[in-house]
Amino acid sequence: ELKVEQNPLFLSMQEGKNYTIYCNYSTTSDRLYWYRQDPGKSLESLFVLLSNGAVKQEGRLMASLDTKARLSTLHITAAVHDLSATYFCAVIRSNDYKLSFGAGTTVTVRA
Amino acid sequence: EAGVTQFPSHSVIEKGQTVTLRCDPISGHDNLYWYRRVMGKEIKFLLHFVKESKQDESGMPNNRFLAERTGGTYSTLKVQPAELEDSGVYFCASSQGPIGSLVYEQYFGPGTRLTVT
Repeated sequence: ELKVEQNPLFLSMQEGKNYTIYCNYSTTSDRLYWYRQDPGKSLESLFVLLSNGAVKQEGRLMASLDTKARLSTLHITAAVHDLSATYFCAVIRSNDYKLSFGAGTTVTVRA
Repeated sequence: EAGVTQFPSHSVIEKGQTVTLRCDPISGHDNLYWYRRVMGKEIKFLLHFVKESKQDESGMPNNRFLAERTGGTYSTLKVQPAELEDSGVYFCASSQGPIGSLVYEQYFGPGTRLTVT
């Protein structure tokens, strides 16, 4: 069974500072996702990472993937209030049909 | 294009009662999935439909849960009788084709928050 560990589970950020969320997974996977969820809203796909060394950036968020270490990071640069949300990582193997999720990181950005 | 919709958004029921959750996938999406997040833990897979057929229901917790997708369009997930540990957020997702092909994407609904008291 593919297990995904995400940490921290809660992250209180100060505006303007940088932070990282970590996602470890237990066995080889072929695709890693980062999702964002705002309360009462759908999971929004932020990034899809396919290969070792992949790095994607969108605004203040940057995601990277190290398949050898089975580790992905979501780096937040200069946090702002509207980044407050819950962030999930999820992985899938090819020919599988279900995602395996981490427990989520609840981010709160304070002034 | 409308996204995946779920109804209700929130349901509060007493232990022993029955609740039915509904999911309407994106039009044309043959693949429909149910997931659940309990008590702030990871989101866990419950089952997968292709059209009206259950492909995998290995994640269903027990026989108090029954999922249907008559006609291959919307799906319902019934919990009968509900227990306290069933509280959580139930997510539905859909995809046009198999996500394991790494070609198709899975789109999630907003979830139904179920509270059993």
